[in-house]
Amino acid sequence: KNEVEQSPQNLTAQEGEFITINCSYSVGISALHWLQQHPGGGIVSLFMLSSGKKKHGRLIATINIQEKHSSLHITASHPRDSAVYICAADNNDMRFGAGTRLTVKP
Amino acid sequence: SQTIHQWPATLVQPVGSPLSLECTVEGTSNPNLYWYRQAAGRGLQLLFYSVGIGQISSEVPQNLSASRPQDRQFILSSKKLLLSDSGFYLCAWSRQNTGELFFGEGSRLTVL
Repeated sequence: KNEVEQSPQNLTAQEGEFITINCSYSVGISALHWLQQHPGGGIVSLFMLSSGKKKHGRLIATINIQEKHSSLHITASHPRDSAVYICAADNNDMRFGAGTRLTVKP
Repeated sequence: SQTIHQWPATLVQPVGSPLSLECTVEGTSNPNLYWYRQAAGRGLQLLFYSVGIGQISSEVPQNLSASRPQDRQFILSSKKLLLSDSGFYLCAWSRQNTGELFFGEGSRLTVL
């Protein structure tokens, strides 16, 4: 079993839909990262969180430390949100999920 | 502001040839530096990380090596490439005390 599990693997949505991507981890962490990988391969760090909730624009990330679970939400999704979203458990040794490929159709 | 650059962006090399990928960080000092690889259709894998000049930790056994000759320079090398070395290589840095990662643009290596 992978130490970091993401679901779903693939997600297709219509523009404007609310999107949720889930991440469960089995290791102890100091922080949980959400990353966005664009089709060209470039990776951008979206959030780093160790408790509660963070919001940046239309993106919201939450984490429940007791349940070892984090979610990434996208409100009012747009085609430009199409990318692979990766969560990573940081315990001084990063463990990455396999990624969720999101396609938002206009 | 801080920036990170890695090059080359694309590389096609024959099996058995050497490799050198370079990464530099600007606008910060004493960063933690990382090399990751993403094989086709697979997740990110940490290859090496460094907390200071000349300090390299390897996560997986392989025919790759890393060096940090200067505080903000991180180099990924191989003396003889294998077909299985093909992939997308990403350099990243983080501040020593915060852990937030900043990624380079990536280098796509194809070994033929």
